[in-house]
Amino acid sequence: SQTIHQWPATLVQPVGSPLSLECTVEGTSNPNLYWYRQAAGRGLQLLFYSVGIGQISSEVPQNLSASRPQDRQFILSSKKLLLSDSGFYLCAWSAGSSPLHFGNGTRLTVT
Amino acid sequence: GQQVMQIPQYQHVQEGEDFTTYCNSSTTLSNIQWYKQRPGGHPVFLIQLVKSGEVKKQKRLTFQFGEAKKNSSLHITATQTTDVGTYFCAGVKDTDKLIFGTGTRLQVFP
Repeated sequence: SQTIHQWPATLVQPVGSPLSLECTVEGTSNPNLYWYRQAAGRGLQLLFYSVGIGQISSEVPQNLSASRPQDRQFILSSKKLLLSDSGFYLCAWSAGSSPLHFGNGTRLTVT
Repeated sequence: GQQVMQIPQYQHVQEGEDFTTYCNSSTTLSNIQWYKQRPGGHPVFLIQLVKSGEVKKQKRLTFQFGEAKKNSSLHITATQTTDVGTYFCAGVKDTDKLIFGTGTRLQVFP
């Protein structure tokens, strides 16, 4: 069966520090991969999605970037965090247009 | 750009009362999905609707896709405290990209 792993679960980082969140999927090949952000009590904002290795589409211009170095690995990065980057970051995968399967999320607090 | 709105934003009900959330898209959708997010958790897929006018049921939950494939609803009969959470619709257009609705947060009082 397919599983998705996302870490860390929580993170507290100072303003201006770098960020790296990792997500890996097991049990499937060539998944579509997604990074979403959710502000407290708010909806889901699509940040990046990828349909294959090295193929990244950005939905919202900001100081975040994403990379897909391997088929089932998706990384969200920032060189310098802003206070507004705080939120709940969710990685998800899908097979084509099938429903999304989300990871447990990373709760990021930028101080 | 494409938008998917949900109403209401919040709903507080007494246990046993019914609950409905409505989802409206500015454009026609190829299909619509519903997710539930428990407090502190991640969204979990509930159901997918594809056909115009489609109605699906999961125990006390009834999902409907509008005739024009631009709106959808989720109705919960006789709510229970386990129904607490935020319910999101997500529309799929021709790009296969999901656009999530704004969500409806349900609180159930015992």
